[in-house]
Amino acid sequence: KQEVTQIPAALSVPEGENLVLNCSFTDSAIYNLQWFRQDPGKGLTSLLLIQSSQREQTSGRLNASLDKSSGRSTLYIAASQPGDSATYLCAVNDMRFGAGTRLTVKP
Amino acid sequence: EAQVTQNPRYLITVTGKKLTVTCSQNMNHEYMSWYRQDPGLGLRQIYYSMNVEVTDKGDVPEGYKVSRKEKRNFPLILESPSPNQTSLYFCASSFSWTAGDEQFFGPGTRLTVL
Repeated sequence: KQEVTQIPAALSVPEGENLVLNCSFTDSAIYNLQWFRQDPGKGLTSLLLIQSSQREQTSGRLNASLDKSSGRSTLYIAASQPGDSATYLCAVNDMRFGAGTRLTVKP
Repeated sequence: EAQVTQNPRYLITVTGKKLTVTCSQNMNHEYMSWYRQDPGLGLRQIYYSMNVEVTDKGDVPEGYKVSRKEKRNFPLILESPSPNQTSLYFCASSFSWTAGDEQFFGPGTRLTVL
């Protein structure tokens, strides 16, 4: 059974810092990995979708990488802003989610 | 506007009183699913549907029912709710299951069972 882990559970950084969020999975036979953002009490907003044949995807200040052989994905956020404060979740194969990393960017 | 809608957004009910949470998408998506989100446990899939009249259990189906009579709608039914079903529920959809398409989520339904 696929297990998805996100470490750390919470992260606090000062504004302007570059940061990396981690997502690891136990079964490398995946067909996609998706990163989401969730604001408190709200739904999930898709940030980036990486197909199994891809190594990375970029959108603005966000870059997500995928290494299937090591069972890892990272979400890189450049020049963080207070508006980036949210919980970030990764999901494997559209159905297996990590518990998320709660990010706080302090002004 | 392309979206997934859920109703109600908030619901407080009592043990044993049947309820239905509706989910509708306007993107002609084949694949729809229901999740519950609990603190420390993340999102867990309850049921999913690959197309009309095709549904299957996810990881935590006990106590829930679903139906998919039309492509756009995928209601979640709790025949006899219990307090352990108090949770935040999300409906999601994507174009298809096999293509590994992006999932779109509804705004969530916060359910409290007393």
